[in-house]
Amino acid sequence: GESVGLHLPTLSVQEGDNSIINCAYSNSASDYFIWYKQESGKGPQFIIDIRSNMDKRQGQRVTVLLNKTVKHLSLQIAATQPGDSAVYFCAETSGGYQKVTFGTGTKLQVIP
Amino acid sequence: DVKVTQSSRYLVKRTGEKVFLECVQDMDHENMFWYRQDPGLGLRLIYFSYDVKMKEKGDIPEGYSVSREKKERFSLILESASTNQTSMYLCASTRADYGYTFGSGTRLTVV
Repeated sequence: GESVGLHLPTLSVQEGDNSIINCAYSNSASDYFIWYKQESGKGPQFIIDIRSNMDKRQGQRVTVLLNKTVKHLSLQIAATQPGDSAVYFCAETSGGYQKVTFGTGTKLQVIP
Repeated sequence: DVKVTQSSRYLVKRTGEKVFLECVQDMDHENMFWYRQDPGLGLRLIYFSYDVKMKEKGDIPEGYSVSREKKERFSLILESASTNQTSMYLCASTRADYGYTFGSGTRLTVV
């Protein structure tokens, strides 16, 4: 079946460095992608999204890149801070809000 | 600040009990969702609702039911709790776009 997956379960980065979290998806019909951040004991929080007619979108310190050719999505965090420590997961949909598929998550650990 | 509020952060229930998980949103969103989150499995959709008194099964509805009597409130019901329903339960809501707003979650332990 269709799936959304993450390459690395845990990522450790030095404070101040840039972080890159990757996500592979298999549904070529996916047209909307979202990155969420989940801190310990909290619900997922929307970070940034991108539609399939774009290949890059920037937010505050975050950038999402979409490569439809290889079905790959990445989240880049600039100048990673301790407050960025969390689990990040991607989500994709091809059929509207009911059919969102979530990845299993990557834990980002920021080393002070 | 918009909010999705789940009534309990932690719950411990006994096997066979009927369990109610409550979720309230103050954003006037039409669509509400219940997910469970388990390590290594990600978020799995249990039920969703796109209008008052309307409900749709998600990917794993067995053992659960839902109720939506008012637009702002979406309840998840475990008719007879079992140990395999021990999990983190997340409620979310959205309007017509796809960006979900999640609650903080309820960690349910069934003993």
